[in-house]
Amino acid sequence: NAGVMQNPRHLVRRRGQEARLRCSPMKGHSHVYWYRQLPEEGLKFMVYLQKENIIDESGMPKERFSAEFPKEGPSILRIQQVVRGDSAAYFCASSPSDGGYTGELFFGEGSRLTVL
Amino acid sequence: SQQGEEDPQALSIQEGENATMNCSYKTSINNLQWYRQNSGRGLVHLILIRSNEREKHSGRLRVTLDTSKKSSSLLITASRAADTASYFCATENQAGTALIFGKGTTLSVSS
Repeated sequence: NAGVMQNPRHLVRRRGQEARLRCSPMKGHSHVYWYRQLPEEGLKFMVYLQKENIIDESGMPKERFSAEFPKEGPSILRIQQVVRGDSAAYFCASSPSDGGYTGELFFGEGSRLTVL
Repeated sequence: SQQGEEDPQALSIQEGENATMNCSYKTSINNLQWYRQNSGRGLVHLILIRSNEREKHSGRLRVTLDTSKKSSSLLITASRAADTASYFCATENQAGTALIFGKGTTLSVSS
C-alpha cells in the first residue's frame, strides 16, 4: 500500500539548468495535483492532471514550467532554465477516480529544489 | 488568490491545553478540509466537513463550520508535543477543480 511517491526528494540545480520532478500517485488514483510551497508559506496550486490530460493549469507559470501525466509512468513536473526564485518544495497529491475534484488529497513527501 | 486564511499565524501552548485555529474563506463551498504538515514532510488529511454540517469530531479533533460567516475552526483538545505542526484549511477553487490552501497556523506544543 505505497503512498504517493515523489522523487527526487532533494534536487540541486544551477541557474539555467532543467529540473524534472516525478510523482507516482497512489495505486488506483488517476487524479494528480502539483503544488509549490515557498518557505514559511502555504501551498500554491499549480496544475491538475488526469491520465493524458491537463484539466486545470491555472496556477502554472506561463513560461518554463510544464507538466504531464502519461498513460504509463509517473507524472512529471518539468522546469526549464531554472532561476533562484524556483527554489521551493514541490508537492504532488493524488485522489481516486471517484473522489471528485475536491475530495481528500493524498500527498507525497515533496521534492525540494534548490537553485544555486 | 487565497481562498482560505488561517488565524492565528502562530500559536504556542503547553501540553494538555487546547488549541483553536480559525479559517475564513471567501466564496461558497461544498466542503472544507483541514490538513496537518509536520516540518519537512507532506500534508496529511485530518478531517473534511461538508457545507451542510455544522460540527464534526475525529478523536481529539473538533471542527466547526459556519457557512453564514464563511468560517471554520479546528480545535485540538488535550494537546501533545506530537501535535506540533502547521495546520492548513483548504477549500475548492471557483472552478471546482482543485483545493486551495491557506498559509496555515504553526502550532508549537511544549512539554
